[in-house]
Amino acid sequence: DGGITQSPKYLFRKEGQNVTLSCEQNLNHDAMYWYRQDPGQGLRLIYYSQIVNDFQKGDIAEGYSVSREKKESFPLTVTSAQKNPTAFYLCASSIVPGHYGYTFGSGTRLTVV
Amino acid sequence: AQSVTQPDIHITVSEGASLELRCNYSYGATPYLFWYVQSPGQGLQLLLKYFSGDTLVQGIKGFEAEFKRSQSSFNLRKPSVHWSDAAEYFCAVAPNTGFQKLVFGTGTRLLVSP
Repeated sequence: DGGITQSPKYLFRKEGQNVTLSCEQNLNHDAMYWYRQDPGQGLRLIYYSQIVNDFQKGDIAEGYSVSREKKESFPLTVTSAQKNPTAFYLCASSIVPGHYGYTFGSGTRLTVV
Repeated sequence: AQSVTQPDIHITVSEGASLELRCNYSYGATPYLFWYVQSPGQGLQLLLKYFSGDTLVQGIKGFEAEFKRSQSSFNLRKPSVHWSDAAEYFCAVAPNTGFQKLVFGTGTRLLVSP
């Protein structure tokens, strides 16, 4: 079955460390997105990519980095510059052009210890 | 800029009762409109979407939503709520031209009482 796989489901990070969250899709979707979810704040866009080798900052990109070397993959690195990284991270993808909604992964919960 | 308002943070409904979740948007033209549902610790699942045409759209799990242009609203409804409907619900909008990024509301948490 086609879908989006996020791994790991739970991730613990020590302060000062960089960590990378994986997002892989087999839907042949062109666009991919990373959102951060905090209680009471909805979903906030971190980065998005419309095509391979291209990506744009979203609303809260500071302290994060991404790459899009393959259509199927859009990993997110949470760097030590992100001061409050504890959150639930969601990856999504969509067909471009046109808008049929996003398909979401099941998320990664990152906790700083 | 587009924005989405979900005025109710929490709603409690008795099982079997009807449900309406409110969503208002701000956008210059008619956008694409979506409702998503999220169970705890999970990703979001698309319930339904509106692009054009009939203003009453049917979705999965017995949900429907009505687009009202004059009120800039896209409220979600269900005639009879089941305990399994307890979840968080997000309304989202996207422009109907160009590359469409979704803008999400802050969500409404639905609690279902016995």
